Amino acid sequence: SQTIHQWPATLVQPVGSPLSLECTVEGTSNPNLYWYRQAAGRGLQLLFYSVGIGQISSEVPQNLSASRPQDRQFILSSKKLLLSDSGFYLCAWSVMETQYFGPGTRLLVL
Amino acid sequence: QKEVEQNSGPLSVPEGAIASLNCTYSDRVSQSFFWYRQYSGKSPELIMSIYSNGDKEDGRFTAQLNKASQYVSLLIRDSQPSDSATYLCAVIGNNNDMRFGAGTRLTVKP
Repeated sequence: SQTIHQWPATLVQPVGSPLSLECTVEGTSNPNLYWYRQAAGRGLQLLFYSVGIGQISSEVPQNLSASRPQDRQFILSSKKLLLSDSGFYLCAWSVMETQYFGPGTRLLVL
Repeated sequence: QKEVEQNSGPLSVPEGAIASLNCTYSDRVSQSFFWYRQYSGKSPELIMSIYSNGDKEDGRFTAQLNKASQYVSLLIRDSQPSDSATYLCAVIGNNNDMRFGAGTRLTVKP
């Protein structure tokens, strides 16, 4: 069966510091991968999606970037965090249309 | 107009009652519809998907789709306190992206 991992689970970072969040998927090949952000009490905002290694599409221009160095690995990065980057970051995978979410990383920028 | 709209709630029902959650969408060519449940502090988990007009039942859950009215709903029969969560409606539109509503918060009171 398929499993999706995200780490860390919780992160507290100062403004201006860098960020690296990692997501890995097991049990499937060539999945579509997604990064979402959910602000407190808000809906899901799609940040990036990837249909293959090295293929990244950005939905919202901002100070975040994403990379897919391996088939089942998706990384979300920032060089300098902003206060507004705080939120719940969710990685998801799909092979057909249905998306399945990882456990998420809660990021607090102070 | 938002692409996917849900009443934010909170919706409160007594234990054992039927909870009715509603969602409307703006993209007429949407073909795939999903309901996710999200417990507080957790990631969304898929409840069910629906693709054709009419009803689809899975245990205590029934999804209803009316493409002419651009309306999809989720009924939860015999509601339990463990059903208390935020329910997210998701729609795959013309560009094959999954778009989420902001969610409806459901509280089932014992």
